[in-house]
Amino acid sequence: NAGVTQTPKFRILKIGQSMTLQCTQDMNHNYMYWYRQDPGMGLKLIYYSVGAGITDKGEVPNGYNVSRSTTEDFPLRLELAAPSQTSVYFCASSWDGHSYGYTFGSGTRLTVV
Amino acid sequence: DQQVKQNSPSLSVQEGRISILNCDYTNSMFDYFLWYKKYPAEGPTFLISISSIKDKNEDGRFTVFLNKSAKHLSLHIVPSQPGDSAVYFCAANPGANSKLTFGKGITLSVRP
Repeated sequence: NAGVTQTPKFRILKIGQSMTLQCTQDMNHNYMYWYRQDPGMGLKLIYYSVGAGITDKGEVPNGYNVSRSTTEDFPLRLELAAPSQTSVYFCASSWDGHSYGYTFGSGTRLTVV
Repeated sequence: DQQVKQNSPSLSVQEGRISILNCDYTNSMFDYFLWYKKYPAEGPTFLISISSIKDKNEDGRFTVFLNKSAKHLSLHIVPSQPGDSAVYFCAANPGANSKLTFGKGITLSVRP
């Protein structure tokens, strides 16, 4: 199994540009999450989803949007990129959101200049 | 307000010795705790977990201890190996809530 796949791995954006970070999982997990990790900081939750068609805000949702039209895919949209969004973005999935721990993708390193 | 705290940013130990990584939490609602390990350019991977009904959980060289009264948990790695060099994140979950809260992480270096 591929697990959680994130694309692209690296991206440089100019201020004001938009992009979509892709995340797909093949484990039939119900729960999916987007985290960002800033240098020297822990992972902060941006958005999460408990199933197809259901999304909710996490700790740091401003400047981002998500959708969950299928169980497998959970794209993260950045509108009007800002330097403060320079970070490493991790997508994760989980069977029940609690006991089994999360399976993470390898991350997308985004730089906004 | 940081609910999961890893106050030491780094730890260096000799190969074969014990590594002790500490984590404190402030939210009394947390009832499930996990440790994740992260290598550079990779995503975090699940290492070990413990429920609040236990005070110890062991998996091979890794043992997690939970002290609920002190709101403190620790990860012991015995014996430490160079391949254990990574960033270790402590995380906690309040059970009914599906979201995990992560600490900042601690960088472990195991010297050969």
